[in-house]
Amino acid sequence: SQTIHQWPATLVQPVGSPLSLECTVEGTSNPNLYWYRQAAGRGLQLLFYSVGIGQISSEVPQNLSASRPQDRQFILSSKKLLLSDSGFYLCASRSGKRQETQYFGPGTRLLVL
Amino acid sequence: TQLLEQSPQFLSIQEGENLTVYCNSSSVFSSLQWYRQEPGEGPVLLVTVVTGGEVKKLKRLTFQFGDARKDSSLHITAAQPGDTGLYLCAGALGAQKLVFGQGTRLTINP
Repeated sequence: SQTIHQWPATLVQPVGSPLSLECTVEGTSNPNLYWYRQAAGRGLQLLFYSVGIGQISSEVPQNLSASRPQDRQFILSSKKLLLSDSGFYLCASRSGKRQETQYFGPGTRLLVL
Repeated sequence: TQLLEQSPQFLSIQEGENLTVYCNSSSVFSSLQWYRQEPGEGPVLLVTVVTGGEVKKLKRLTFQFGDARKDSSLHITAAQPGDTGLYLCAGALGAQKLVFGQGTRLTINP
């Protein structure tokens, strides 16, 4: 079974500073990878997904960007954080073309002050 | 407009009671997943249902996928405090993406 790692677990950043959140996946190859943001106790909003190295689809216009430099690595970035970027960020992986189930990492709590 | 409506949003009941959570949509899904999430952690998959009318049981949890694959329900029998958490349903639209409901915050009081 696959394992999704995310770091850092918690991050406090000032407004205007850059951001880099990393997600790596073990136990699978050529997965679809996803970044979600979750408001407190609520559902998940899809931010980006990737079907392969260098392939990024953006779901909502925003202050964030994503990159996939390696098959099992997915990075969420920002050049200048906004207060509204605070939230709980989740990385997910889906492997197997016939599988629609996604598996989630432990998440990163981001607080922008 | 929420594509997948989940209800209720909050539910607080006593230990031993039964409950049902619903997910409804006007869209047809190729599959539907149920997740449970603890505070500060990622969602954990409980079940995936694929076939219209399908029923899956996981101990005291029963999951049903509607015949038309537009809705689903989660029924918990004899709820226990350990069932407390955020329950999320997610429907697969096409091959690449899931759409999530708003979640049901369930609290089971001892």
